[in-house]
Order: sequence, then structure tokens, then C-alpha cells
Amino acid sequence: DAGITQSPRHKVTETGTPVTLRCHQTENHRYMYWYRQDPGHGLRLIHYSYGVKDTDKGEVSDGYSVSRSKTEDFLLTLESATSSQTSVYFCAISEGGAATAQYFGPGTRLTVT
Amino acid sequence: TQLLEQSPQFLSIQEGENLTVYCNSSSVFSSLQWYRQEPGEGPVLLVTVVTGGEVKKLKRLTFQFGDARKDSSLHITAAQPGDTGLYLCAGVGNSGYALNFGKGTSLLVTP
Repeated sequence: DAGITQSPRHKVTETGTPVTLRCHQTENHRYMYWYRQDPGHGLRLIHYSYGVKDTDKGEVSDGYSVSRSKTEDFLLTLESATSSQTSVYFCAISEGGAATAQYFGPGTRLTVT
Repeated sequence: TQLLEQSPQFLSIQEGENLTVYCNSSSVFSSLQWYRQEPGEGPVLLVTVVTGGEVKKLKRLTFQFGDARKDSSLHITAAQPGDTGLYLCAGVGNSGYALNFGKGTSLLVTP
């Protein structure tokens, strides 16, 4: 299995609070991705990174920001959490971009009350 | 966004039956990937199809990429309870950096 960890694995937070999710990889892959998965919507891309300090928006980026200061870490921040951001968040990595295999982390279940 | 439509959305069958799930789009994809996701876990890549008309086999799973590279199918022969999961297809989006995922087919195989 690819070495990807996500932390925390579960979190409950209140509306309006900031939240940061961490993705850590030990594979030295260049590309990293954040997705959210919701019933009826499937997996949707939030942000992705194609190198250290190189990031771009995905399909559902509003309300989210990311940072990648090291190859191994990709952080997803919800500046002011809303109930619509209750979801399961997955981090993924790939060696050569989208056309190559993506390896997913175990997910973080976030509940915003 | 290049949409991928998967059908059926849900499928419940008994062990030993055969099934086919579909992934369709109006857009051409350079390649398509199939993933399986089990409850509480992240998706795991099963196969990538690249060439139009390509057929790939993975034990009891057969994957086909349409000639026009707009659609793909997954056929499972003699399904087993261990095949239970969410099957997702994904194609490279216009950015070239990220995948667009279909909503998935949720398969339940009962003994």
C-alpha cells in the first residue's frame, strides 16, 4: 500500500471555526489531491498540487484553501467551517499526474454542527 | 467539466451471478481508470484502459474501453461477496492534472 496518512481521521467542529486537515505521504510523489465525497455527488476535486508551493483549484474549491510547503505534506484548510462542508475528505497522490494511478488515503470524516 | 455517467447506480445480486456496469460520457477521454472502494476506505485502482477497443482482464473482472474512447464497461463473472463495494470510473479532465469521477455503482453481492 502507498504510504499515505490523513489526520485527523474523525473530527466534529462547530460552524464558523477554522479546521485544517493534513495529508502526509512517504512516496515522494509529485502530485497531491484533496477530494470530498458526498452521497449523490461522488468524489469531487477540491484542490490539487503539482509540486511544492504549486497548487490549483478544483471543481469545488470555494471555502477551502491549501498549502504545500514540503513534498510530503498537503494541508486543506476550511477558514470558517459551514454545515455544507460536512463530508468525507480524501487525499490522493500520484507520481505522474492524473493519467497515472492515484493512491488514496483512508479519509477524514468531518462533521460541522 | 467532462461528465461521466455510471449505471446502474445500485446493484444487488446473489453470489455466482454475472453483472456489467457501465461508464458513459459524451466526451472523449485519453484514458479511463476503474477504482473499487470499500466502506470506510479510500478508492483503490483496479485498472487503467488507454486504447480504444482495449479489453483488460483482472481475474473475474473484464474491463472494456469503447472504440471511440467515450465509454467503458466492467463485467464481473461469478460474483462473490468479496466483490461488494462501490465501483468508480474516472477520466482525465480538461486540466490534464486531475481526474473527473463518475458517481459510482454500488454493488452488493449476497451469499
